[in-house]
Amino acid sequence: NAGVMQNPRHLVRRRGQEARLRCSPMKGHSHVYWYRQLPEEGLKFMVYLQKENIIDESGMPKERFSAEFPKEGPSILRIQQVVRGDSAAYFCASSGTGGGGYNEQFFGPGTRLTVL
Amino acid sequence: KQEVTQIPAALSVPEGENLVLNCSFTDSAIYNLQWFRQDPGKGLTSLLLIQSSQREQTSGRLNASLDKSSGRSTLYIAASQPGDSATYLCAVRGGSEKLVFGKGMKLTVNP
Repeated sequence: NAGVMQNPRHLVRRRGQEARLRCSPMKGHSHVYWYRQLPEEGLKFMVYLQKENIIDESGMPKERFSAEFPKEGPSILRIQQVVRGDSAAYFCASSGTGGGGYNEQFFGPGTRLTVL
Repeated sequence: KQEVTQIPAALSVPEGENLVLNCSFTDSAIYNLQWFRQDPGKGLTSLLLIQSSQREQTSGRLNASLDKSSGRSTLYIAASQPGDSATYLCAVRGGSEKLVFGKGMKLTVNP
């Protein structure tokens, strides 16, 4: 039973390019969360999605960032026109059910984005 | 707004010591609290999850306790080993689905 999968593991982009980060949740999980870890800082929540729905995007920057979790396929975190300040580790987590907060989130290995 | 604090930010100890890692949070209305381990350049490994109705959880040499009313949790590591060297993160889950993390504590266990 594979865990949460993320790809690519490392991504290098030049300023102004687009970055696409993918996350495949654990088998049977329909809830996906994205977190960002900036250098020397803790993990910060970005967005919570269920299949085809964004439930909570309170941690997403207002511009250039978007996320989706389509009916088929992985969840995608998209960053347009990347800037150096976007360099960070981006982690995806999944859980079996939402609501009530009793379920555990399982984390993927992360994608380390470097913007040159 | 929930805030999670872990003090100290780093700790260096000789092998064999029993350790206590501290975590405090400002809003006691939580559903659960998780302790994670993160190795350099790696993802997060969940160590223990304590539901709000529980007081403690144990796994091997690890024991985590939760005192909701005082907004505190401790992670106890018995007989520390060099392989325990990592960053330990505490995270709480409140009314929303998101986890709120502390900045972590970097542990170094010296042989």
